[in-house]
Amino acid sequence: KAGVTQTPRYLIKTRGQQVTLSCSPISGHRSVSWYQQTPGQGLQFLFEYFSETQRNKGNFPGRFSGRQFSNSRSEMNVSTLELGDSALYLCASSLAGGETNEQFFGPGTRLTVL
Amino acid sequence: GNSVTQMEGPVTLSEEAFLTINCTYTATGYPSLFWYVQYPGEGLQLLLKATKADDKGSNKGFEATYRKETTSFHLEKGSVQVSDSAVYFCALFMSGGSQGNLIFGKGTKLSVKP
Repeated sequence: KAGVTQTPRYLIKTRGQQVTLSCSPISGHRSVSWYQQTPGQGLQFLFEYFSETQRNKGNFPGRFSGRQFSNSRSEMNVSTLELGDSALYLCASSLAGGETNEQFFGPGTRLTVL
Repeated sequence: GNSVTQMEGPVTLSEEAFLTINCTYTATGYPSLFWYVQYPGEGLQLLLKATKADDKGSNKGFEATYRKETTSFHLEKGSVQVSDSAVYFCALFMSGGSQGNLIFGKGTKLSVKP
């Protein structure tokens, strides 16, 4: 079974631009969560989608948004990029969410904002 | 709010040494507890978990016991190998609360020298 895939793996943008990151979950998984990883703040939860609906959202500004498609693939978008948005963005999928369903993480997309 | 505190790294050990990485948590309720491992250039992998007090999670020679009285979930391994070099994250999940929302510690980098 293929794991969680994220594209692109690396991205360089400039301040003010916007970016879209993609995540393909493991086949059959319906829950997709996004996390931001930075040296200063560590791993922080962005949002979770289940069956095309955002089920939960972390403490990030509205510039961070996401969506999920009918095939469970998910995208996250960051508009008006700031230097502080430079981070590793991790996507995780699970069968249905919740602590009893293990979250499987992708390799991440490394975003650099110049 | 809910939080996880891990011992600061980096931790450097010689092969076959004993490993302990301390983790304590603060939670309003009874969370599930996890240890994740991140190898260079990869996403997170679940190492072990415990869902209730006094449970012991174990995998690949690592183990951790959920201690409610000390709100701790320390990771231990009796004899580390060079291949265990990675960053280790302690995390919690509150059932019935925010679906998909793992709360992570800052991570502890382990380097094992031959």
